[in-house]
Amino acid sequence: QQQVKQSPQSLIVQKGGISIINCAYENTAFDYFPWYQQFPGKGPALLIAIRPDVSEKKEGRFTISFNKSAKQFSLHIMDSQPGDSATYFCAASFKAAGNKLTFGGGTRVLVKP
Amino acid sequence: DTEVTQTPKHLVMGMTNKKSLKCEQHMGHRAMYWYKQKAKKPPELMFVYSYEKLSINESVPSRFSPECPNSSLLNLHLHALQPEDSALYLCASSHIGGGYTFGSGTRLTVV
Repeated sequence: QQQVKQSPQSLIVQKGGISIINCAYENTAFDYFPWYQQFPGKGPALLIAIRPDVSEKKEGRFTISFNKSAKQFSLHIMDSQPGDSATYFCAASFKAAGNKLTFGGGTRVLVKP
Repeated sequence: DTEVTQTPKHLVMGMTNKKSLKCEQHMGHRAMYWYKQKAKKPPELMFVYSYEKLSINESVPSRFSPECPNSSLLNLHLHALQPEDSALYLCASSHIGGGYTFGSGTRLTVV
């Protein structure tokens, strides 16, 4: 049973536009929600992460919005650039599960110049 | 040093071969992980080591054998693999309860 559902599977956005990726989770024990960026042939790189006591976190052009009651969180990429073209994964974990990360299915983002 | 280093970057092995993947980090992380990633799929957890002890084995076939010789090193020993085991093998590390740092992975092809 997939515990973290991610949408959309793919996204095309114009340079300067906003990319929005959504994730929904089922397990209310999750207490850490990171987003990873992965380029072809590379490992995932941590972009930004949030814990459930915060509703929003911003780092540069990247913002996580977190809705605990709806069990949803999203990544907003502002002023999208061609260099942002990559696959993005949301994930969730909790300490009692040995810090095991459960990934969403991934979103392939293409930013057109 | 803020990196996880994996070697080799590419590996081609026959189904009767024995090979090992290596992973090293010097960030003082006490949790280390092996993930397997197929094309266009998310990483799938294989093993978790916490304080050099195996804490999670996600029902991985015995042809994959992990080893954690010390707090900085993680190995994955491979034996009698199948073509369907071809994938990107990712190592990661973290502080307990913290975010992961992934290596660039080993691209494994089983022929």
